Amino acid sequence: EVQLLESGGGLVQPGGSLRLSCAASGFTFSRYVMSWVRQAPGKGLDWVSTISGSGRSTYYADSVKGRFTISRDNSKNTLYLQMNSLRVEDTAVYYCAEGFDLWGRGTLVTVSS
Amino acid sequence: DIVMTQTPLSSPVTLGQPASISCRSSQSLVHSDGNTYLSWLQQRPGQPPRLLIYKISNRFSGVPDRFSGSGAGTDFTLKISRVEAEDVGVYYCTQGTQFPWTFGQGTKVEIK
Repeated sequence: EVQLLESGGGLVQPGGSLRLSCAASGFTFSRYVMSWVRQAPGKGLDWVSTISGSGRSTYYADSVKGRFTISRDNSKNTLYLQMNSLRVEDTAVYYCAEGFDLWGRGTLVTVSS
Repeated sequence: DIVMTQTPLSSPVTLGQPASISCRSSQSLVHSDGNTYLSWLQQRPGQPPRLLIYKISNRFSGVPDRFSGSGAGTDFTLKISRVEAEDVGVYYCTQGTQFPWTFGQGTKVEIK
């Protein structure tokens, strides 16, 4: 079954760090562009970052540039998002997505003191 | 950044009646490769987004044929020919032509 499963969310204080993971299964992971998209409570969708299949090319929203790092391990079929210097406004459900085709169920990140 | 503007933001519809959502981009979504990377997503309550339509008018696998997409350049439309109860949710247009990828504000489809 084709599936994406996020993990690593939780409660963190402002200024803290968190690392999200997304385990992919059921497709040839290395062939696909992967992204993180977030959704603040009660709000719309907000693109965060995208990485090419090889991992050589990465793209970031201005709001997270310099604080977040996207990466992937194709040998483990896993996508990551390292989030540093977290802010209250980063509070959201973070979705892992293969293009726009396939979405995980999301993991909640709450940044609060 | 390309701004995506959806209208209406709310669409109360009678079961079995059609619904239509418009999406306008602030600049052309035609990519240098000739494709137009305009997609439509559906998000049912409490669920992750789901792809309905890609590249303007292509239905994704498993999407009922009552959903259709059309348009070109900067103006696009999603139509539901006959709304069913399971279609309740928020619909987003999104562009993957240029980074940063951007989304419309979302249109809430609900049953009258």
